[in-house]
Amino acid sequence: GAVVSQHPSRVICKSGTSVKIECRSLDFQATTMFWYRQFPKQSLMLMATSNEGSKATYEQGVEKDKFLINHASLTLSTLTVTSAHPEDSSFYICSAYSGSFNEQFFGPGTRLTVL
Amino acid sequence: GIQVEQSPPDLILQEGANSTLRCNFSDSVNNLQWFHQNPWGQLINLFYIPSGTKQNGRLSATTVATERYSLLYISSSQTTDSGVYFCAVGNDYKLSFGAGTTVTVRA
Repeated sequence: GAVVSQHPSRVICKSGTSVKIECRSLDFQATTMFWYRQFPKQSLMLMATSNEGSKATYEQGVEKDKFLINHASLTLSTLTVTSAHPEDSSFYICSAYSGSFNEQFFGPGTRLTVL
Repeated sequence: GIQVEQSPPDLILQEGANSTLRCNFSDSVNNLQWFHQNPWGQLINLFYIPSGTKQNGRLSATTVATERYSLLYISSSQTTDSGVYFCAVGNDYKLSFGAGTTVTVRA
């Protein structure tokens, strides 16, 4: 149990376009999901906390209008990178919190490349 | 926020060797998890261990919450153990990650 999927796994887009990444908890309900960003050979940096049915909470320095988060159901959160630029290229990872295990479970990540 | 320090930053092992990874944290926490990030980027949950000792096969972990550190032991290492090991701590469900320990196991 406690499986999290993420789609797409890889995306290449042109500068100025928007990209949507989906995160799903497949076998449990998650009222809270998280979005992280990871640069090569670095640790995970929390971007925002996504709460079902309410607005996301963003970490300091993360632009709300740039990274739109929607958590419309107990199993789905989406991250939209708006007007993407090359500096947004990164590995984006989502996680879902399981109250049963008191653990976060992670998706496989999405590698975004903006040309 | 809570500071998390992991050591060593890099570890090279010969297959079959044992090793210990350390995680120090700066404040009291009620959540501590160890993860293994494989070469494809997937984080795999190893342990949820805010205190005490747990074992799972060749891996075991100990957290001494009063002294704010946790240890991850890898015994009889295999090449498939290679990757980055992260310690993450926090209160309730929000986690702060350490910088990780990159483990390379050579055949």
